[in-house]
Amino acid sequence: KQEVTQIPAALSVPEGENLVLNCSFTDSAIYNLQWFRQDPGKGLTSLLLIQSSQREQTSGRLNASLDKSSGRSTLYIAASQPGDSATYLCAVDYGQNFVFGPGTRLSVLP
Amino acid sequence: DTEVTQTPKHLVMGMTNKKSLKCEQHMGHRAMYWYKQKAKKPPELMFVYSYEKLSINESVPSRFSPECPNSSLLNLHLHALQPEDSALYLCASAYVMQETQYFGPGTRLLVL
Repeated sequence: KQEVTQIPAALSVPEGENLVLNCSFTDSAIYNLQWFRQDPGKGLTSLLLIQSSQREQTSGRLNASLDKSSGRSTLYIAASQPGDSATYLCAVDYGQNFVFGPGTRLSVLP
Repeated sequence: DTEVTQTPKHLVMGMTNKKSLKCEQHMGHRAMYWYKQKAKKPPELMFVYSYEKLSINESVPSRFSPECPNSSLLNLHLHALQPEDSALYLCASAYVMQETQYFGPGTRLLVL
């Protein structure tokens, strides 16, 4: 079964800290992995997409890595800001299925 | 135009009603998706259209009927829904399948 998990479920940090969010998936036969953020009651915003052949992607203060063989991805957020507060979801594209993890709820305190 | 729009934003319907959700994009994307999201849960894939053809149907009950009349428009027709179908319905599009998905703001559906 294709399952995606994320830890931690929730995280609260002071402004300025660097932080790491983790995503694990059971089936390594992936096309790509995407990271999204979702603000309460809103749609999803794409942050980064890593193809199965890539090891990492960077966008501004965000860096995502992918280790397909171990079924893991991490999202690194540098110098966190209150505006980063949201739920962060990873999603794995298996071609005929697109599976989201349960998300990490992040609060960055001013 | 770099956004996905969804109408209506909110919808309340009875179990005997027929209604439709609409999703539109003008980014030239050829893959379009419907997701269902219950409160405090991640989105669950319902349907995928690729080049206006239904590519993926995730064992969704027949009371949900998707339609892709052209490359810019995706509809979800609703009939005889149950209260447990109340959720946020999200539409997304991508240039093609396996590319970055761009999501609309969703339609919040309440079935009474």
